[in-house]
Amino acid sequence: DAGVIQSPRHEVTEMGQEVTLRCKPISGHNSLFWYRQTMMRGLELLIYFNNNVPIDDSGMPEDRFSAKMPNASFSTLKIQPSEPRDSAVYFCASSLGIAGAGDEQFFGPGTRLTVL
Amino acid sequence: SQQGEEDPQALSIQEGENATMNCSYKTSINNLQWYRQNSGRGLVHLILIRSNEREKHSGRLRVTLDTSKKSSSLLITASRAADTASYFCATRGETDSWGKLQFGAGTQVVVTP
Repeated sequence: DAGVIQSPRHEVTEMGQEVTLRCKPISGHNSLFWYRQTMMRGLELLIYFNNNVPIDDSGMPEDRFSAKMPNASFSTLKIQPSEPRDSAVYFCASSLGIAGAGDEQFFGPGTRLTVL
Repeated sequence: SQQGEEDPQALSIQEGENATMNCSYKTSINNLQWYRQNSGRGLVHLILIRSNEREKHSGRLRVTLDTSKKSSSLLITASRAADTASYFCATRGETDSWGKLQFGAGTQVVVTP
């Protein structure tokens, strides 16, 4: 298995531009999570999906952030417009998402976003 | 908000020594997990301990859980340079939606040869 795949690995953009981050979870996993990691705030859960349905988006910082999961093998996190304070490493993770099974999460390599 | 808090924030040891780090949390949990993050990489799951378990082993890792004190410890025995990484505890609260974890701030461990 290829593990969780994220693209791009690095993104440098200018303030005001739209940014789209992509994630392909592990095949067969039903839950998908988007996290943001910064030195100041640590690892923050932004949103998570179960069976392609958003379950908890309380961590999404502002309306500028949106996430979709159109099918079981693909999710996007969009920031529009981007701001310098959005600079961070964004991780996607997936888990089996089956009640009673271990809820171990498998993380992708992350996307390092820099907004100038 | 972060549920778990790791202690110490940073730890520097020599190869062969044991490394111990602690995690405290605030609310009742279903399970507690430990993850490792190497520099520039994603987190990797190490071990999961359920609320009704007190101790668990995996290779050179030993995890304890004291629900009365709301704390856990991770012991890495006979450390190696490759163990240099940040270590995070993560908890799933009893009332949290299934699968949702809350991560602590992490302990940065440096193992020198």
